[in-house]
Parts: sequence; structure tokens; C-alpha cells
Amino acid sequence: QSALTQPASVSGSPGQSITISCTGASSDVGSYNLVSWYQQHPGKAPKLLIHEVTKRPSGVSNRFSGSKSGNTASLTISGLQAEDEGHYYCCSYAGSFTLVFGGGTKLTVL
Amino acid sequence: EVQLVESGGGLVQPGRSLRLSCAASGFTFDDYAMHWVRQAPGKGLEWVSGINWNSVNMGYADSVKGRFIISRDNAKNSLFLQMNSLTIEDTALYYCARGFVVVTEPPEYWGQGTLVTVSS
Repeated sequence: QSALTQPASVSGSPGQSITISCTGASSDVGSYNLVSWYQQHPGKAPKLLIHEVTKRPSGVSNRFSGSKSGNTASLTISGLQAEDEGHYYCCSYAGSFTLVFGGGTKLTVL
Repeated sequence: EVQLVESGGGLVQPGRSLRLSCAASGFTFDDYAMHWVRQAPGKGLEWVSGINWNSVNMGYADSVKGRFIISRDNAKNSLFLQMNSLTIEDTALYYCARGFVVVTEPPEYWGQGTLVTVSS
């Protein structure tokens, strides 16, 4: 179970779009369409944004979208807003009833 | 409204044990898989363990396998994590989280966490 690889930080200006990558292996991201994404603000519990690669839970803005190609999943945030600033984590099923998270990406809205 | 309230955290010496509990309400507890996820101070999220609705299927992170045991009591709407042989590296905020139907799917709703500090 090796942590998924995410960039440590990304940034963008309000209104722009940004993409956060999440690279795993053929044993996790590459094998299952069970990648999810979370947003976490300081001192708060994580919030689920995307599950099963592309599905948004009820109440999550359609500015958040997910995709996957091979062993790499991506989260795209369009129309960047100040409130989007925070940490983002990917997560994947890794077989044998285990999950693995990415190291996290800090998003700064300039 | 889904509510998850963790308890049982605290200061414990290395090598000792601690049992975390999570009280669930606002949903039909035995319809869902449950997870424990931890976050060391200033660090990222680490999945610890998950269990399906009927306790048949469960998984553990390599870092805790053989030391931690996840369990649930559907009659009491409660999730537990028995943590043995604790080390300093287990110091973290431990979140209880409700998953989807199967344990292969990720946590959806999260509690506010209970802090475990392992120190001599």
C-alpha cells in the first residue's frame, strides 16, 4: 500500500480552471473505477467531492469534475473561487478491502 | 442528518492499548460500510481500516495490520477500533466515517475526530 502521488501544491486565479493529478499503480487506480476526491479546510473534516471517478454527491458543485486515464486520476475545478482554497486528497480502492489516499495537494487561490 | 461522534482518544504510553468508539445516528447503521481514517498533526489523510455492514469483510492498512482490530455493533449503532501496541507514529486525529454500501467504496460522511497522542 503505497500512497498515491499528488503534487504538493497548485495555484490559480479566480475564474480560472485548475487540475490536480493523482498517480497510482496498476494495483489500485489502474485496476478499479473507485477513485474519490476530498476537499479539506483547516480544522475541518474532509468533504467528499467525487466518487467512482466521476460521480458527484448531491450538493457538490458541478464546478468539480473527475476523470481517469490508466494509473492517473484527475480532479478539475473550473471557475475557481476563493472558497476553493484548501487541501485536496485523492483516494482509491487498492484491493483486499483496503483503500489508499494520496499525499494531498494544497490549492491556493491567488 | 448523519451524525458520527468519536470518543476514546487521549494520551497513552507507547506499547499500551486504546479503544476508540464511534456513535452513529441519522441513518440506518447496518446498511453501510464504515471506516477509520487518521490524520497526524500537520499531515495528510491515512486510511486505517474499513468494515462492511455485516462484519464479514474488513481491511487494514499495512501500518496497523496485526495491531488494530475494527469491529461494529449494529444493535448499538456503534463502530470500534481496538488499538494495541501503540507507537509514537500512531499519534493522530482519528476520524470515524460512513461509507457507501460496500467497503470497497470510500468514506462519505465524517465525524469530527478524536485525538490520540502516544507519548512517554
